[in-house]
Amino acid sequence: KNEVEQSPQNLTAQEGEFITINCSYSVGISALHWLQQHPGGGIVSLFMLSSGKKKHGRLIATINIQEKHSSLHITASHPRDSAVYICAVSPYTNTDKLIFGTGTRLQVFP
Amino acid sequence: DAGVTQSPTHLIKTRGQQVTLRCSPKSGHDTVSWYQQALGQGPQFIFQYYEEEERQRGNFPDRFSGHQFPNYSSELNVNALLLGDSALYLCASSSVGGTYEQYFGPGTRLTVT
Repeated sequence: KNEVEQSPQNLTAQEGEFITINCSYSVGISALHWLQQHPGGGIVSLFMLSSGKKKHGRLIATINIQEKHSSLHITASHPRDSAVYICAVSPYTNTDKLIFGTGTRLQVFP
Repeated sequence: DAGVTQSPTHLIKTRGQQVTLRCSPKSGHDTVSWYQQALGQGPQFIFQYYEEEERQRGNFPDRFSGHQFPNYSSELNVNALLLGDSALYLCASSSVGGTYEQYFGPGTRLTVT
């Protein structure tokens, strides 16, 4: 079993829909990261959080440390949100490296 | 302020050959981590360099080696290439003593034929 699990693996939505991507992890962490990867490969950091909730524009990330679970929400989705969203954690015992989930591929259609 | 840069963008090699990938960290960062991302998978940690030394290593064979230069830039070398080494290689930079945030480069896509 992977230390970081994401669901769903694939997600399609109509423009304007509310999107939720979930991440569960099994290790103690210092921080959790949500990343976005567009076709072509480059990864952009969306959020880094260790507690509570963060919001940036139409994106919201929440984390529940006790339940070892995080969610990424996209409100009013748009075709330009189409990308792979990756959850990664910085383990408490080894903050030097990130452990990644396999990603959620999101496609938003007009 | 330049972010993380990587070169080359794409590379095609033959089995058994050797390859060198390069990474320049974001200005002000002193630590470089390398990741391998196979198609459809999340990135896997290869190793991390700080103060010109390998600080951490993931579960990769000795065919994978690296180097960090005094200006903090880094190289990833892979010897005796296998078909399974075909992947996107990502470099990320960070700062010791900073937050846990890592900044990623655009990646180098390596194809081994």
